[in-house]
Formats: sequence, structure tokens, C-alpha cells
Amino acid sequence: QLVESGGGLVQPGGSLRLSCAASGFTFSDYSLNWVRQAPGKGLEWISYISTIGTIYYADSVKGRFTISRDNAKNSLSLQMDSLRDEDTAVYYCARGAYGDYFSNWFGPWGQGTLVIVSS
Amino acid sequence: DIVMTQSPDSLAVSLGERATINCKSSQSVLYSSNSKNYLAWYQLKPGQPPKLLIYWASTRESGVPDRFSGSGSGTDFTLTVSSLQAEDAAIYYCQQYYGRPITFGQGTRLEIK
Repeated sequence: QLVESGGGLVQPGGSLRLSCAASGFTFSDYSLNWVRQAPGKGLEWISYISTIGTIYYADSVKGRFTISRDNAKNSLSLQMDSLRDEDTAVYYCARGAYGDYFSNWFGPWGQGTLVIVSS
Repeated sequence: DIVMTQSPDSLAVSLGERATINCKSSQSVLYSSNSKNYLAWYQLKPGQPPKLLIYWASTRESGVPDRFSGSGSGTDFTLTVSSLQAEDAAIYYCQQYYGRPITFGQGTRLEIK
């Protein structure tokens, strides 16, 4: 129901745009999140966008990453700029709450896309 | 930020036996106005996306086997697998969604003995 794409190898300081295609539910009715998992590490929430465009970021990516959604295309995006080595991770999109509500569990999740930041 | 601490970091349990994973939050995730604990549990297997198991600390997600159960309130929570099956080998994470940022525990690796 959620399929990420756009991962790959990028040099430090570079940019990458991730996409998440949704199906099987009314996309515009749900808030969405990006979560990442660095190699050998745990899960880290990084960004949220609600049904009405409310946006939050984790401090670790604020000012460098931009989340957006296109309800007409059932698509979620994450523009990642000024990438650092520590941004290397598998990036997941995950559905949140029905409506404009941040405090919610995540499900379902996409299968993830790997981003490697390295020179 | 609310810090989530899981214990143990790893455990090995025999098939058919009970597995218990603990999760402690640095502050209460119980919202007094609705008496709900903003705590979820996920299962993560290699090459697969995280799978939601439990939300509101004790509500099992649709399709999750009833051998998985969640309990606790306030700052202390437990995920129990009542009779371990081979397919339950995975890493388990707790998550609080009470405060922003949403935070996860460090994970507990559950292995079959």
C-alpha cells in the first residue's frame, strides 16, 4: 500500500528526493510520516505532514529536509538537501492518523528505500 | 524529548515458551483526558517493513496473533509473546506518540533458543 522510491548513493552536501506512492486507501484522509533507520541503529521519526498541511520535523533534519504531499497523485515526497554521512539510512514512509492529528501510531509502512551518503 | 528505554537488549526463548519485553518512558505517556496510554509496539524483520502489533498500549492490531499482548500504564509497559513461534524471531520496538518528537525504544532482539 506504500511504496518508496528515489534512494541511492549521494555525496555529502548533495541532494536527493524520495517519493512514496500510496494505494488501497483514501490518501487525502490520512496524515503521513517519514521514519528512518540507520545501519545497526533503531528507528527515528523525522517528519510529519497532516491532511491540511501541518508539518513537523525532527531537529536532526530541520532546515535541510522538506516534506510534501500531492493528494491528486496519492504521493508523499521528502526533499533532502545538504546531506550528511549520518543521514545514511533506510527511509520508510508510514501512514499516521486519520485526519489532522499528530499523536498516532504508524501503520502501514512502506518497504523502505536505502539512502547512502558517502564520498 | 521523551526517552524510551527497552529491556533487555536481547533475549533467547525456547519455542512455546513466554517472551517478555519491557519498555520504560522518561515521562508518563498516559493522557489524563481520555485515559489512554500513547504507546505502540512494532515488529521488525530483516528485509521487511516494521509491522504494527499493538497500539494504545494494549490494543492488538487487526490480524496480529493473539499470542501477542501489551500491558502497562504511565511509564512502564510490557509486550508479551505467550507461546513463542519460530516466525516471532525479530527485533521489537516500543514507540511513544504522546509527545513531539515521536520517539522509539532502542529495540529488543528476540531469538529462538
